[in-house]
Amino acid sequence: KNEVEQSPQNLTAQEGEFITINCSYSVGISALHWLQQHPGGGIVSLFMLSSGKKKHGRLIATINIQEKHSSLHITASHPRDSAVYICAVMWGGSQGNLIFGKGTKLSVKP
Amino acid sequence: DTGVSQDPRHKITKRGQNVTFRCDPISEHNRLYWYRQTLGQGPEFLTYFQNEAQLEKSRLLSDRFSAERPKGSFSTLEIQRTEQGDSAMYLCATLLQGSGNTIYFGEGSWLTVV
Repeated sequence: KNEVEQSPQNLTAQEGEFITINCSYSVGISALHWLQQHPGGGIVSLFMLSSGKKKHGRLIATINIQEKHSSLHITASHPRDSAVYICAVMWGGSQGNLIFGKGTKLSVKP
Repeated sequence: DTGVSQDPRHKITKRGQNVTFRCDPISEHNRLYWYRQTLGQGPEFLTYFQNEAQLEKSRLLSDRFSAERPKGSFSTLEIQRTEQGDSAMYLCATLLQGSGNTIYFGEGSWLTVV
């Protein structure tokens, strides 16, 4: 069974701080997604990674396939970044099944 | 707006009733997924379609649940004889396989069984 573990579960930061959210998984994957979910349900895809590093604005995502680990970084955090950040992996043993972590609830205080 | 539409957004139903949710994907997206999410948890996979073919079903999908995607476009998820444990948000997501695999989620359909 592939487990996706995220840490921390909850994170409170002051505006401007550098944020790191971690994701570890247990078996081979074909891709890893970082998602953002705001209150009320809407989920937005931030990144899809199969190797290396991607950057979009203040967001940076990295993945280490050998260590089965990914991180999402937010630079110069802002209160509008407050949301739940979810790591999801496309399991290599299934062509379609995305397995999700439980999410990290981020709250950025002004 | 991601382009994936779900209807209804909210549904309150009495235990034992049947409910149906609809998902309209982004046009030409060949993969469509259904997930269930309860408060404080990440989404859990229910089933997915490649065009009109249902390729995988989770063990979470009991025989009271059925999903269809008859023409490879919109999909429906029906829950028969609802139970209070079915209360959750039902999420639809779609992607165009081979296009970078960016996945797009709908806003979800909240079900409350009373």
